[in-house]
Parts: sequence; C-alpha cells; structure tokens
Amino acid sequence: DGGITQSPKYLFRKEGQNVTLSCEQNLNHDAMYWYRQDPGQGLRLIYYSQIVNDFQKGDIAEGYSVSREKKESFPLTVTSAQKNPTAFYLCASSIDPPRGSYNEQFFGPGTRLTVL
Amino acid sequence: AQSVAQPEDQVNVAEGNPLTVKCTYSVSGNPYLFWYVQYPNRGLQFLLKYITGDNLVKGSYGFEAEFNKSQTSFHLKKPSALVSDSALYFCAVRDGTYNTDKLIFGTGTRLQVFP
Repeated sequence: DGGITQSPKYLFRKEGQNVTLSCEQNLNHDAMYWYRQDPGQGLRLIYYSQIVNDFQKGDIAEGYSVSREKKESFPLTVTSAQKNPTAFYLCASSIDPPRGSYNEQFFGPGTRLTVL
Repeated sequence: AQSVAQPEDQVNVAEGNPLTVKCTYSVSGNPYLFWYVQYPNRGLQFLLKYITGDNLVKGSYGFEAEFNKSQTSFHLKKPSALVSDSALYFCAVRDGTYNTDKLIFGTGTRLQVFP
C-alpha cells in the first residue's frame, strides 16, 4: 500500500447523495486507475488517467465521474446515478507507459462504500 | 480480447505442503501476466510478473509462477505454504491497449492454509 493513500477507509452514503473518494500518490506516477471490487467478480476498471487533465472511461464508468487536476490526485465521485454503489473501491497507479514497459500497478488500501 | 481465468474459487492446503493457484489466459499477441495478493480489507500487493524470458518467474514472499505457452497457463506456486499465505490471489493480463498499463483481472482464488 505504500505510496498511495485513499480516504476515507469507510464511507456511508444515503441514497441520492453524491460522494467523493480521495486517492493521492507520491510515487511520481503518471497513470492512475480506479477499480470497483465486488465479491466473486474480481476488479473492474471504472476510469483511468495517463496524464493530468485527461482521463478515459473503463468498463463500468456509468454513474461515476473523475478529475485529474494534479499528477498526485485522482478523486472519484460516485453519483446518485450509480444504481448499486455499495462496493470496495481501489485506486492504483503505474509508471508512465512510454518510459517503462509492462509495468505493474501499485494499489492503495481501498475505500469501502456502503449505501444506507 | 485479452482475458484470464482462475478456475478455482478456493484452494485449501496444509501448512508445509506445496501450493498451486491456477491461471489460464487468452491473448492476441504476447502475454504479459501478473499475480497479486490481497489480504482482508486491504489493497492488492504485487507478487510477480512475466514479460519475457525464463518461464519460471520468482517473486515476493517465496512465490514463483510458471509460464506455459502451450497450455496458456501461468500458475502461481510455492514449495511450502504458510498459514500467513492465506489470502485472495488475483491473476491479471495486460489488456493490450497501446501505450497503457491497463490490466484485466481474473475473479480471484481464495487460498486457505490450514495449520
């Protein structure tokens, strides 16, 4: 988990509310990712970003939004449009691909979101 | 499209015995394969990766993985299991999108090591 922090560790949301999950890294990585983890389904990619002020949708982007205003930060907003947001959310980062090939991703400790 | 499969939801092994966690892959082009471990309520930790070269890859905590091209497999192994190895293990493959490190993950295998 070193180098990537996520906050809060646990988050409770009422239906209809937007919530923002924080992800910060001090690894000087250019690429950052958000995943959703549900039991028995592995990790599914929500959004990723390879450079500041640019990001791309992953496989399950509907109901989520992100921003990348700083290299170190990649916050994820879970909007009220997300039908089933209760899950474990993981943020990751990796070295800029053009400079290093086939790099592993480093993960934060995760945020568990529960909708009440 | 790239994909990985982990055919076992759970693997049980006695402490001190060898362990194997299975992973098979399907890719177009060269496979770039990864193993991660996840302890309860924690993020994933990188164990090892196969990019090219020797088919036997050594990683963290005494784990190794064997790449087998003919069987399209990348099984994770350890000669002697520890109770502390009990965790959720994920196999992943680079998804092939140009110029990214995007990964596609398997569904995970829960390893239970009994004393």
